[in-house]
Amino acid sequence: DQQVKQNSPSLSVQEGRISILNCDYTNSMFDYFLWYKKYPAEGPTFLISISSIKDKNEDGRFTVFLNKSAKHLSLHIVPSQPGDSAVYFCAASGGTSYGKLTFGQGTILTVHP
Amino acid sequence: DAMVIQNPRYQVTQFGKPVTLSCSQTLNHNVMYWYQQKSSQAPKLLFHYYDKDFNNEADTPDNFQSRRPNTSFCFLDIRSPGLGDAAMYLCATSRDPTHQETQYFGPGTRLLVL
Repeated sequence: DQQVKQNSPSLSVQEGRISILNCDYTNSMFDYFLWYKKYPAEGPTFLISISSIKDKNEDGRFTVFLNKSAKHLSLHIVPSQPGDSAVYFCAASGGTSYGKLTFGQGTILTVHP
Repeated sequence: DAMVIQNPRYQVTQFGKPVTLSCSQTLNHNVMYWYQQKSSQAPKLLFHYYDKDFNNEADTPDNFQSRRPNTSFCFLDIRSPGLGDAAMYLCATSRDPTHQETQYFGPGTRLLVL
């Protein structure tokens, strides 16, 4: 049972445009959500997080939106840069599985110059 | 810079030959986690230590063990690696095990089983 899903395996965007990465979850007990970025042969790097008491969190070019009723979150990158090309994972925690992150399968983002 | 370090970055072992992967951290975090990530899949939590308390995930095979001799170091022991254990092994840390704490990851160790 996959509780966190990233339904788009890949996304291709032109430099300077917006990248939107999506994530859906099924466990209503999740109340903390994170996005990680991963380059090949490296570990995931923390990007941005959001608590369920908020619906938006912004950090520079990165904004995460949370829609609790739809159990959906998205990461917006504006403007996209070639260096943003990586695999993006969303992760969630909460409920009885405190301290445990449940990850989605990742979306490969390619930003073309 | 405070960080999570994993050694080695690449490990080759033979089928059935015990192998140990190591993780160290300079963040002084209380919790250390081990994840397994197979190709094109989500990282999967194997177990974690909160200080000296070991917490195993229900579906982690007995073949996988862990040791945490002190705050800074944590080891993953695979007693008898099988071909299916070839994966990236990720170590992560957090300040405490509450569910709104960010986990910080090391670069990972890629394990190859021959």
